[in-house]
Amino acid sequence: DAGVIQSPRHEVTEMGQEVTLRCKPISGHNSLFWYRQTMMRGLELLIYFNNNVPIDDSGMPEDRFSAKMPNASFSTLKIQPSEPRDSAVYFCASSPSGSYQPQHFGDGTRLSIL
Amino acid sequence: DAKTTQPTSMDCAEGRAANLPCNHSTISGNEYVYWYRQIHSQGPQYIIHGLKNNETNEMASLIITEDRKSSTLILPHATLRDTAVYYCIVRVVNQFYFGTGTSLTVIP
Repeated sequence: DAGVIQSPRHEVTEMGQEVTLRCKPISGHNSLFWYRQTMMRGLELLIYFNNNVPIDDSGMPEDRFSAKMPNASFSTLKIQPSEPRDSAVYFCASSPSGSYQPQHFGDGTRLSIL
Repeated sequence: DAKTTQPTSMDCAEGRAANLPCNHSTISGNEYVYWYRQIHSQGPQYIIHGLKNNETNEMASLIITEDRKSSTLILPHATLRDTAVYYCIVRVVNQFYFGTGTSLTVIP
């Protein structure tokens, strides 16, 4: 079975550019999560969706970050304009409905802003 | 925020059992304990989770104390491929707080 699929795997761009990260959750999973991982702060939850609706975006660092989930099989995380401090690995995860269900992670997008 | 405390690092001889402890003294009655691991440059991999009973699957066993204030993840026969950072997580609603984890090194 296909797991969570993220694209691109690596992204290098110059500051000020718009960056779009993509995620395809596991089919049938109702919840989707975006995380960011850095050496300094570890893994942080940015936002999560339930049934395509954003439930908690309190982890989104600032207005430059936005996330959408137009349907059950696709989500995007956009940074505009990007800054060097946004450099990190961004993970997407999904889980079935049910508060005890584990989350399953993709392999992440390694983002470098020059 | 992490709600869990783990040793920073541990070593284990290849073929031996690896026992990774975790303290979660403030856990609430309906909060599950989850274990994940992360091998360098990969996404966190789900291992096992439990509420109050001990659990076992093909990857590991999870032992939770009766008062639920601590737990131990057991990898019964560690291999070199088990070298990773292991995270013990107590879930709060839909949020996983990953903390800093335990860096396990399996030694040949």
